[in-house]
Amino acid sequence: SQQGEEDPQALSIQEGENATMNCSYKTSINNLQWYRQNSGRGLVHLILIRSNEREKHSGRLRVTLDTSKKSSSLLITASRAADTASYFCATEKIGDDKIIFGKGTRLHILP
Amino acid sequence: DTAVSQTPKYLVTQMGNDKSIKCEQNLGHDTMYWYKQDSKKFLKIMFSYNNKELIINETVPNRFSPKSPDKAHLNLHINSLELGDSAVYFCASSQSRSYNEQFFGPGTRLTVL
Repeated sequence: SQQGEEDPQALSIQEGENATMNCSYKTSINNLQWYRQNSGRGLVHLILIRSNEREKHSGRLRVTLDTSKKSSSLLITASRAADTASYFCATEKIGDDKIIFGKGTRLHILP
Repeated sequence: DTAVSQTPKYLVTQMGNDKSIKCEQNLGHDTMYWYKQDSKKFLKIMFSYNNKELIINETVPNRFSPKSPDKAHLNLHINSLELGDSAVYFCASSQSRSYNEQFFGPGTRLTVL
């Protein structure tokens, strides 16, 4: 069954603006990951945040995790055209070997 | 020097046929996966192998049979293809079953006519 759900489903912003995507999940997790998928390509791992972490940075990416609200956010600062892609959160439930992907947010950066 | 490779990239076939998709990773990873991504981009795990041993087998029709001849390869054979099998199939690998960062192949777009 689906664990994570991204919000919004689609997002269009101007180049240079910040993009924020959210992920909500249902059960307690070990960790949460964000992946990017460019059109016609495989997924690329962006960042992993563990359940005991609240915030993590990687370049222009900032991820937060609120385990009390069972939610995470991905912030992309100073967006670029190359950031146009679908972004997925993936959660690993406690006691599980697999990760479950959400439906994704389609991000479109306008020139 | 591609990390995770899949063949073929595109597969168009008639209903009822049997087809295989191959996957290879050169990362030295222990764990490999097959995912199905439907037309709405929903990505669902199908199988996972760890060191050639099946560890995840989701509710997938028996027509789908994975095979791992060694830990660098995980193939997917599909018998009696149906229209609903049309999707993009992704292979992925991770360092181990407990190390979750996954590396994905480019996908195989299967179209069943």
